[in-house]
Amino acid sequence: QKEVEQDPGPLSVPEGAIVSLNCTYSNSAFQYFMWYRQYSRKGPELLMYTYSSGNKEDGRFTAQVDKSSKYISLFIRDSQPSDSATYLCAMSVTGGFKTIFGAGTRLFVKA
Amino acid sequence: DVKVTQSSRYLVKRTGEKVFLECVQDMDHENMFWYRQDPGLGLRLIYFSYDVKMKEKGDIPEGYSVSREKKERFSLILESASTNQTSMYLCASSLAGPNNQPQHFGDGTRLSIL
Repeated sequence: QKEVEQDPGPLSVPEGAIVSLNCTYSNSAFQYFMWYRQYSRKGPELLMYTYSSGNKEDGRFTAQVDKSSKYISLFIRDSQPSDSATYLCAMSVTGGFKTIFGAGTRLFVKA
Repeated sequence: DVKVTQSSRYLVKRTGEKVFLECVQDMDHENMFWYRQDPGLGLRLIYFSYDVKMKEKGDIPEGYSVSREKKERFSLILESASTNQTSMYLCASSLAGPNNQPQHFGDGTRLSIL
């Protein structure tokens, strides 16, 4: 079993929809949680960075961490065609160098 | 903004060649990383460095080596390139400290070994 599981998609939604992207994980020691966005032929770009449980909001993006269920989510409100990209979840333990990445979910937002 | 620059976007080399991939960051980050990214396999850590001249193996170090002579520069070396090393290579950097800081990535080098 992988430490981090992420549905590869693709996920296709109409413009304006609310998008929900999710990851599950097995290591209860993870404390830092990140979401990256990766456009085609570009490197991953940090979108959200959270510590422990709870919600964090930044514009149209909301990151949610549920440590009891070992489940994290990224919500995108009012999705735009420019949100079409691959979204990677990532997580790490306190004091560790390694970050574990999900394989990424490919999202298409249709105009 | 953090800037991580990889020297080449696309590179084509031949089997058996020694290949150098260069990465430079401009934010004085202590930590630097090399990953390869393959469809369905996600990002896999090859090597990382937490200080000048210090290096640690990641999950898939075989066939690779690294060099960090200056804080801002981290090089990945394919000692004798093979076709199974055809991939997208990503460099990243991050601050050190008690709170794990997120990594910042370059735009990658797409390497083809013929």
